Amino acid sequence: RKEVEQDPGPFNVPEGATVAFNCTYSNSASQSFFWYRQDCRKEPKLLMSVYSSGNEDGRFTAQLNRASQYISLLIRDSKLSDSATYLCVGLSYNTDKLIFGTGTRLQVFP
Amino acid sequence: ETGVTQSPTHLIKTRGQQVTLRCSSQSGHNTVSWYQQALGQGPQFIFQYYREEENGRGNFPPRFSGLQFPNYSSELNVNALELDDSALYLCAVQRGGYNEQFFGPGTRLTVL
Repeated sequence: RKEVEQDPGPFNVPEGATVAFNCTYSNSASQSFFWYRQDCRKEPKLLMSVYSSGNEDGRFTAQLNRASQYISLLIRDSKLSDSATYLCVGLSYNTDKLIFGTGTRLQVFP
Repeated sequence: ETGVTQSPTHLIKTRGQQVTLRCSSQSGHNTVSWYQQALGQGPQFIFQYYREEENGRGNFPPRFSGLQFPNYSSELNVNALELDDSALYLCAVQRGGYNEQFFGPGTRLTVL
């Protein structure tokens, strides 16, 4: 089983839609969690950290469920500029290495 | 912007050659990690350096090696290049109380 697993998509949604991504993780990837955004042929950019109590940043909401070992990202009122790959990431214990999922591709259309 | 730079941006090598990739940070962060991202995959952890010492290594063979310098810039060296080494190589610096890591733009390596 992969340490961090997410649906590769693609998710094709119209502008203004709400879209949710889920990701599951194993024990080794469970110190902290993040969502990164990656545009085509660019580096990953930190979108938001995921806090145990859940957190919101504008149109983006992240949730963590430690009992079920999953993380979610909700994007409300999708914009064309949200089209990208969203990477679910766990920080391992001991080594401080980031463990990435394969990414979920989002395409927002007009 | 993250203030993390990498050089070169692109590189083409042939099998068996050696390559050195570089990473530097404007703010001189003392923890730097290197990742390999193959096409269609998430980045994979290669190793991390903290204050010039290797501080954790992923599942990569010894021909992947690194250095960190007193000014906290870093190098990734790969010997005996193989076709499967073709990938985007990313370095990341760590800052913030939540262990957040910020990436440079990457070096795209193609091995022919």
